[in-house]
Amino acid sequence: EAQVTQNPRYLITVTGKKLTVTCSQNMNHEYMSWYRQDPGLGLRQIYYSMNVEVTDKGDVPEGYKVSRKEKRNFPLILESPSPNQTSLYFCASMRTSLYNEQFFGPGTRLTVL
Amino acid sequence: DAKTTQPTSMDCAEGRAANLPCNHSTISGNEYVYWYRQIHSQGPQYIIHGLKNNETNEMASLIITEDRKSSTLILPHATLRDTAVYYCIVRGDSSYKLIFGSGTRLLVRP
Repeated sequence: EAQVTQNPRYLITVTGKKLTVTCSQNMNHEYMSWYRQDPGLGLRQIYYSMNVEVTDKGDVPEGYKVSRKEKRNFPLILESPSPNQTSLYFCASMRTSLYNEQFFGPGTRLTVL
Repeated sequence: DAKTTQPTSMDCAEGRAANLPCNHSTISGNEYVYWYRQIHSQGPQYIIHGLKNNETNEMASLIITEDRKSSTLILPHATLRDTAVYYCIVRGDSSYKLIFGSGTRLLVRP
């Protein structure tokens, strides 16, 4: 089944404790992206990747890192999480033909205390 | 990318058609109209997209006005599982990024 998976689905952590949210897709998509969703602010793009070893900042990259060492994986790294990074996070992927659909993962609900 | 305007909320009866409008008056010639929906807090789900012709797939129909300044997503026989937030997004060839607005919260009543 074609899908985007994220782990963990739920995470409660404390300020400053490094964490990684994994994202994997099995569709051989070139493009991958991370969004965060907050009440009243909608979904906003954090980082994206056009292909392996090619990443770039989205609209809200501060406090996040990403890497794209393999085509299928696009982990989101929070080196020193803070409470303002408490949010619902979504990973997405798509084939890089401009007018394709994006496939979204199920989401990761992160709480930073 | 052009901005879109959608009603905040709508409702319809189960089994009836749900017609969700979207205004995108500043759309440019190479920009497509996309519709996604988000059920509760799940990942957004692609529904349909189009450029200027009407489009239909197994989920919905998309009607785009001739001047392309507005469109309507039609769910022909809404079910309770169609209760969701529906996002109308306009995207061109400058970016793969999807810009989500507030969307329309559709409630399907039994």
